[in-house]
Amino acid sequence: NAGVTQTPKFRILKIGQSMTLQCTQDMNHNYMYWYRQDPGMGLKLIYYSVGAGITDKGEVPNGYNVSRSTTEDFPLRLELAAPSQTSVYFCASSSPGSYNEQFFGPGTRLTVL
Amino acid sequence: RKEVEQDPGPFNVPEGATVAFNCTYSNSASQSFFWYRQDCRKEPKLLMSVYSSGNEDGRFTAQLNRASQYISLLIRDSKLSDSATYLCVVKGAGNMLTFGGGTRLMVKP
Repeated sequence: NAGVTQTPKFRILKIGQSMTLQCTQDMNHNYMYWYRQDPGMGLKLIYYSVGAGITDKGEVPNGYNVSRSTTEDFPLRLELAAPSQTSVYFCASSSPGSYNEQFFGPGTRLTVL
Repeated sequence: RKEVEQDPGPFNVPEGATVAFNCTYSNSASQSFFWYRQDCRKEPKLLMSVYSSGNEDGRFTAQLNRASQYISLLIRDSKLSDSATYLCVVKGAGNMLTFGGGTRLMVKP
């Protein structure tokens, strides 16, 4: 049981480039999330999904897109990378329920130069 | 005002000390509450949920005061391995979590 996996671990992009951050979970969780964490700050929700085919914006969605074609996968797309998107990106998953734990992947460290 | 506020620290304490962190939240409709632990350059992991009646897990005690909208975490007999950042987390409607900025704890020998 691998939990939540993310690829790549690290990436450097040039301004204007595009990339997809991959996230996969093997716990059969309906809910999946993408967060970003800037240095010394808490996590901010970018997008989330309550099930395959359903996605919704979080607090900071601008500059990102997501899709959820399967229960397991929830990729995050950056179309035109900007320096403001330099951050650590965490994917998470959970079952529904007030006290159900969100499980996080190991993160992707992205630098945009 | 931030939705979830924490003192960033760092709190520097000797091994064996008792240390307490507080956290305040602004949304009175918040439904559930947690403390997550984050080690340097790692992902957050759930430390404990926080229930209305207060709850304890070994050396860790969490309290919730809904009237004053604050949450606390008490760590007794601090260990070197407790050094980490502690994130106060509040869940509203729809399973969405709001994170505080974290409180950094450093336990010294």
